[in-house]
Amino acid sequence: GEDVEQSLFLSVREGDSSVINCTYTDSSSTYLYWYKQEPGAGLQLLTYIFSNMDMKQDQRLTVLLNKKDKHLSLRIADTQTGDSAIYFCAESIKGGSYIPTFGRGTSLIVHP
Amino acid sequence: NAGVTQTPKFRILKIGQSMTLQCAQDMNHNYMYWYRQDPGMGLKLIYYSVGAGITDKGEVPNGYNVSRSTTEDFPLRLELAAPSQTSVYFCASSLGQGAHEQYFGPGTRLTVT
Repeated sequence: GEDVEQSLFLSVREGDSSVINCTYTDSSSTYLYWYKQEPGAGLQLLTYIFSNMDMKQDQRLTVLLNKKDKHLSLRIADTQTGDSAIYFCAESIKGGSYIPTFGRGTSLIVHP
Repeated sequence: NAGVTQTPKFRILKIGQSMTLQCAQDMNHNYMYWYRQDPGMGLKLIYYSVGAGITDKGEVPNGYNVSRSTTEDFPLRLELAAPSQTSVYFCASSLGQGAHEQYFGPGTRLTVT
């Protein structure tokens, strides 16, 4: 079955890089997602990666995938106070319903 | 487009009361979903629908019911509210199978006392 684990909290200084980590358990063909939730709002998709990729970059965001260890990370370069939010890792199975299974979320706090 | 809308934003219920959480989307999406989010936890899928007239249970369906009479609307019904249903409820939609992005509504914060 699917299980997604991530650390609960991360605190960084403004301007530093943030790295949020996630592990997943299903080795089937998989899509992996990063969603962002700002206070009082719903989730918003940041990026996704298919399990046959190692890396995906989109402006300040870099996603790295280690398939052997089933480890996914999201790096935010030049972190800003507006990046403070909860970041959810999620996984879905290709060929299934594609409904994602979410981790518990990592609360990123950016301080000046 | 308004995207995914949910009403109400907040609600307090007494134990045993009933209510319907409304969800609508104007993106002509086939798939719609209901999640609950408890503090410090991820999202748990309650019910989902792959099209009008079709609904299916998710991970935590007990105590809830849904209907999907139109593509746009996907209401969630609580028949006999219990304190364990205190949570934030999110509705989401997506274009269809293989379409990766789920679009979320702003959520309904429900307290049952």
